[in-house]
Amino acid sequence: GENVEQHPSTLSVQEGDSAVIKCTYSDSASNYFPWYKQELGKRPQLIIDIRSNVGEKKDQRIAVTLNKTAKHFSLHITETQPEDSAVYFCAENTGNQFYFGTGTSLTVIP
Amino acid sequence: NAGVTQTPKFRILKIGQSMTLQCTQDMNHNYMYWYRQDPGMGLKLIYYSVGAGITDKGEVPNGYNVSRSTTEDFPLRLELAAPSQTSVYFCASISGFHEQYFGPGTRLTVT
Repeated sequence: GENVEQHPSTLSVQEGDSAVIKCTYSDSASNYFPWYKQELGKRPQLIIDIRSNVGEKKDQRIAVTLNKTAKHFSLHITETQPEDSAVYFCAENTGNQFYFGTGTSLTVIP
Repeated sequence: NAGVTQTPKFRILKIGQSMTLQCTQDMNHNYMYWYRQDPGMGLKLIYYSVGAGITDKGEVPNGYNVSRSTTEDFPLRLELAAPSQTSVYFCASISGFHEQYFGPGTRLTVT
């Protein structure tokens, strides 16, 4: 559970376009995969999560997909808005511990 | 509910000083966590606790200590502050469904 790779590190999109952020993990025992949004100077906040027995989950403009075979999961944001600009972190949970990616700084250009 | 609270919000320490970062939650969560976040990086787990009286090391425990005498409180102790401990520290607690609730953070500078 120690290695979570997150790409890209920065992402700029035009307002209304989609944004996709990808994470890969190494521990096949990982069973819970949350995504957090962190605005400058604020605490991380959970925006969506997925468990290992589910392949896809959607909540309005946000969706997460999980491919357990390939050990990767992705965050999809559609119809992006300026208020979506923030840093997004993926994480994975193995046992009692959480391991975080290094973050993606998303900028939505009006 | 106040959720997860942390004190202080900011602190400047001199090298070699010690301090305790306080964390309290009022949601009756058993699981509590301490993370540090260095600039431009993700969160690294320092210590965690699965219930009162039980603590365990995370990825980066060196230089820190914790205790968990009650369900509500999970203080983090720095004994001999070093510049490498300059960071933002977040405390979190977890509901039964894995959702982490983070405190507002403590910004610590060691000079």
